[in-house]
Amino acid sequence: KAGVTQTPRYLIKTRGQQVTLSCSPISGHRSVSWYQQTPGQGLQFLFEYFSETQRNKGNFPGRFSGRQFSNSRSEMNVSTLELGDSALYLCASSLGSNQPQHFGDGTRLSIL
Amino acid sequence: QKEVEQNSGPLSVPEGAIASLNCTYSDRGSQSFFWYRQYSGKSPELIMFIYSNGDKEDGRFTAQLNKASQYVSLLIRDSQPSDSATYLCAVNYGGSNYKLTFGKGTLLTVNP
Repeated sequence: KAGVTQTPRYLIKTRGQQVTLSCSPISGHRSVSWYQQTPGQGLQFLFEYFSETQRNKGNFPGRFSGRQFSNSRSEMNVSTLELGDSALYLCASSLGSNQPQHFGDGTRLSIL
Repeated sequence: QKEVEQNSGPLSVPEGAIASLNCTYSDRGSQSFFWYRQYSGKSPELIMFIYSNGDKEDGRFTAQLNKASQYVSLLIRDSQPSDSATYLCAVNYGGSNYKLTFGKGTLLTVNP
């Protein structure tokens, strides 16, 4: 069974640009969550989608947004990139509420 | 602010010993608890999950949950050098939805 697939694996952008990250969950998983991981703040929750609906959102500015498609694939968008957005962005999927989440390999985003 | 606290370590144990990792959380209503292992440069890997008070064993790993005292622990028996990694405790504060809050992690080193 294929795991969670994130693309691209690495991305370099400059300040002010915008970026879209993609996540394909494990087959059959309908819940997709996004996290930001930095050395200083650790793993921080961004948002969770289930059946195309955002059910929870973390404490991030509105520049961070996401969506989920009918096939459960999800995208995350960050607009007006700042230096502080440099991080590893992780996607995790699960069967549903309170079921264990499994992480993808992440997208490492570097802002110059 | 709902929090998850872990000893940052590093925790160093000899090969074959028992490693004990601890985690406390702030919300008494939390229902699901997870332990992830993260090797340097890799994404988190699910090790254990526990929902009810008591112990849950899986191979060399035992998760312990005490909701009254609001702590969850992970015991690793017969520790191996390959267990050397950062261990992340995560608590779902989202109720029936997902809103995982992670601790900052404990770095474990198992010495041959």
